[in-house]
Amino acid sequence: DGGITQSPKYLFRKEGQNVTLSCEQNLNHDAMYWYRQDPGQGLRLIYYSQIVNDFQKGDIAEGYSVSREKKESFPLTVTSAQKNPTAFYLCASTPPGGSNQPQHFGDGTRLSIL
Amino acid sequence: QKEVEQNSGPLSVPEGAIASLNCTYSDRVSQSFFWYRQYSGKSPELIMSIYSNGDKEDGRFTAQLNKASQYVSLLIRDSQPSDSATYLCAVRYYTGANSKLTFGKGITLSVRP
Repeated sequence: DGGITQSPKYLFRKEGQNVTLSCEQNLNHDAMYWYRQDPGQGLRLIYYSQIVNDFQKGDIAEGYSVSREKKESFPLTVTSAQKNPTAFYLCASTPPGGSNQPQHFGDGTRLSIL
Repeated sequence: QKEVEQNSGPLSVPEGAIASLNCTYSDRVSQSFFWYRQYSGKSPELIMSIYSNGDKEDGRFTAQLNKASQYVSLLIRDSQPSDSATYLCAVRYYTGANSKLTFGKGITLSVRP
């Protein structure tokens, strides 16, 4: 079945460590997004990519990095510069067809500090 | 900064009642509006999208859009305990050649059996 796969489901980070969250989609979607959700809060955009080898910063990009080497994959690295990484991270993608298309989400990765 | 406000809540209704969820947004040129449902610990799932002024119905759900007043609402008829969740309003904003969704903080709905 087509969908968006995020892994791992749970991740723990040690002080000073970089960690990478995986997001893979087999929907042939061009645009992909990373969001962060804190308890009781909405989703805040970290990075997004409309096409391969191109991406833009969202509203809270500091302390994060991404790459988009393949259409199917949009990994997010949480660097040691992100001092408060504990959150629920959601990856999303949008089908082609213009701005009326909704975003569809993966199941998320829950990141905690050890 | 583009804003999406969901200020009412949490909301509690008895089973079978109508639940009304409201959302306001700041950018008049926005064209696309979405309602997502998010169960505790899960990712958001799309339940309604609306693009034109007026009402759009899908089963027990009705989305209402008023672009002049810059609000979008979601009505849930015959509310069920399984509707208990957080409902996120999302508005698509344009930034040059790109567009992105901005989400409200959500309204938590509890349906009492």
